[in-house]
Amino acid sequence: AQKITQTQPGMFVQEKEAVTLDCTYDTSDPSYGLFWYKQPSSGEMIFLIYQGSYDQQNATEGRYSLNFQKARKSANLVISASQLGDSAMYFCAMREGQDTGFQKLVFGTGTRLLVSP
Amino acid sequence: EAGVAQSPRYKIIEKRQSVAFWCNPISGHATLYWYQQILGQGPKLLIQFQNNGVVDDSQLPKDRFSAERLKGVDSTLKIQPAKLEDSAVYLCASSSQGEHTEAFFGQGTRLTVV
Repeated sequence: AQKITQTQPGMFVQEKEAVTLDCTYDTSDPSYGLFWYKQPSSGEMIFLIYQGSYDQQNATEGRYSLNFQKARKSANLVISASQLGDSAMYFCAMREGQDTGFQKLVFGTGTRLLVSP
Repeated sequence: EAGVAQSPRYKIIEKRQSVAFWCNPISGHATLYWYQQILGQGPKLLIQFQNNGVVDDSQLPKDRFSAERLKGVDSTLKIQPAKLEDSAVYLCASSSQGEHTEAFFGQGTRLTVV
């Protein structure tokens, strides 16, 4: 079963506008972590933001925020004030399980974001 | 702090040849991952180590792929024999223990099988 679903293959946004990248997940484990990574054309995977399943507040990191809706099993990434350098692939990932360090880290299929001037 | 080191960066081989990739994780990271990323797709977990033990290799094609992590530090991933569909970027990542910790990735090895 697909654990992480990213339904938007591509998104376009104008510079300085905000954009939301969708991510839904599937797990029956009460304890899990959700991650967003950015992958520019150079290929490296850059960690952006983390949300724990027990966190009461939505995570924020600078221009990145995570709209976490636990009942809907969604963890959408919001990028405010888009910049040209935000053009990249964005991946949602999940690590589920108790805090033993043995959990798999699985990724979605990604969304390609293109920021235009 | 040094990041995850991978080598080589690029490799071109003919089908049926063998190839090996090397990864040195961040110092102190107990968990090491190997991912395969085919062009246009998300990373697919091939194998995950905890120290020098395998905790998940359910998606590793064991008839041709093998991996080891000696002494719980460096790791090698080998393909023998390679097929055309193995053309991909192979990403190594490491993390400290726990579900709340992000994984740090190396720059990857781009493999082309011709």
